[in-house]
Amino acid sequence: DIQMTQSPSFLSATVGDRVTINCKASQNINKYLNWYQQKLGEAPKRLIYNTNSLQTGIPSRFSGSGSGTDYTLTISSLQPEDVATYFCLQHNSGYTFGAGTKLELK
Amino acid sequence: EVQLVESGEGLVQPGSSMKLSCVASGFTFSNYGMNWIRQAPKKGLEWIALIYYDSSSKYYADSVKGRFTISRDNSKNTLYLEMNSLRSEDTAMYYCAKGGRTGFDYWGQGVMVTVSS
Repeated sequence: DIQMTQSPSFLSATVGDRVTINCKASQNINKYLNWYQQKLGEAPKRLIYNTNSLQTGIPSRFSGSGSGTDYTLTISSLQPEDVATYFCLQHNSGYTFGAGTKLELK
Repeated sequence: EVQLVESGEGLVQPGSSMKLSCVASGFTFSNYGMNWIRQAPKKGLEWIALIYYDSSSKYYADSVKGRFTISRDNSKNTLYLEMNSLRSEDTAMYYCAKGGRTGFDYWGQGVMVTVSS
């Protein structure tokens, strides 16, 4: 089974900051990596699919990159409404989630 | 607008059974595979079951294989999860999610299942 190691677990940042969250797979996942945002009490929302494709309706400050085993979600300029938990999903072989990153405002 | 609304939340005793439902709207339900995903308290997310658009194939995580059954009724735009022989470790928030070639694109808000004596 593919394991996903997500970092950091917790992140505190200021409005306007560039924020990066990482996911490392235990083996090559061929860019089959999605990113999700979950706000308290809401359904998870897909932000990015297949490493770098932006979901329709998601602001362009969200972007994804990576290949092989290493993947990154970047928020180019943090906004107050981005406070949430973010998690990755590999769907190359079965489905495995990262443990999540809780993003708060400093 | 795609909507997935789960129901069936509750508290049950170990060893008992429970059935969750997920009503879909905003897309052609019969064209898509559907999934159940859960998150135990203070734990990560775990995919547990997938059913193809036409019910021709079903897949389960090892943790629920033989105890849980995924099914769907395309005439009612509804996905189900029948859970038998429930254990304390099945306590979790259960989400339904629309599948596809790009992973899970839409999720419901989830329902809480608590297994406790």
